[in-house]
Amino acid sequence: RKEVEQDPGPFNVPEGATVAFNCTYSNSASQSFFWYRQDCRKEPKLLMSVYSSGNEDGRFTAQLNRASQYISLLIRDSKLSDSATYLCVVNLQGNLIFGKGTKLSVKP
Amino acid sequence: DAGVIQSPRHEVTEMGQEVTLRCKPISGHNSLFWYRQTMMRGLELLIYFNNNVPIDDSGMPEDRFSAKMPNASFSTLKIQPSEPRDSAVYFCASSSGGSTGELFFGEGSRLTVL
Repeated sequence: RKEVEQDPGPFNVPEGATVAFNCTYSNSASQSFFWYRQDCRKEPKLLMSVYSSGNEDGRFTAQLNRASQYISLLIRDSKLSDSATYLCVVNLQGNLIFGKGTKLSVKP
Repeated sequence: DAGVIQSPRHEVTEMGQEVTLRCKPISGHNSLFWYRQTMMRGLELLIYFNNNVPIDDSGMPEDRFSAKMPNASFSTLKIQPSEPRDSAVYFCASSSGGSTGELFFGEGSRLTVL
């Protein structure tokens, strides 16, 4: 079983839609969690951390369920500029392990 | 402020040739990471250094790969001899440590081995 698993997509949604990405991780000792964003042919960049209580940053909401070893990212009112690949990342003893990413394409 | 700087941005070489990729981390960052990204396998950690010391090199594919960090401002990843299956984008990233989890990536070195 892969350490961090994501639905690869692609998710094709119209502007204004709400879209949710899911991620599961295999090691219960994982300490912290993040979502990174990677644009086509660019480097990954941190989007947001994921806290146990859930956290929101504008149109983006991240949630963590430690019991189920599950992380989610919700994007509301999606914009064309949200088109990218979203990478779920787990910190295990200082080692950041990346999922393969979920590709989002927002259409006009 | 300068980010992580990698060179070359693109390299095309023939099988059997030596490839050297270079990285300059962000000044003051004490951790440096080398990742490889392919469509099939995603982003894989090859090796990471803390205070110039290699901490975990379990991701290095085989003896053909080696990495060094002679000082806090420079690291190299070398492949000798290169093979077509080494074709990928190689990213270097640095961080200041701590629990924030923010890695700052370079723009990557796109390697094609013919």
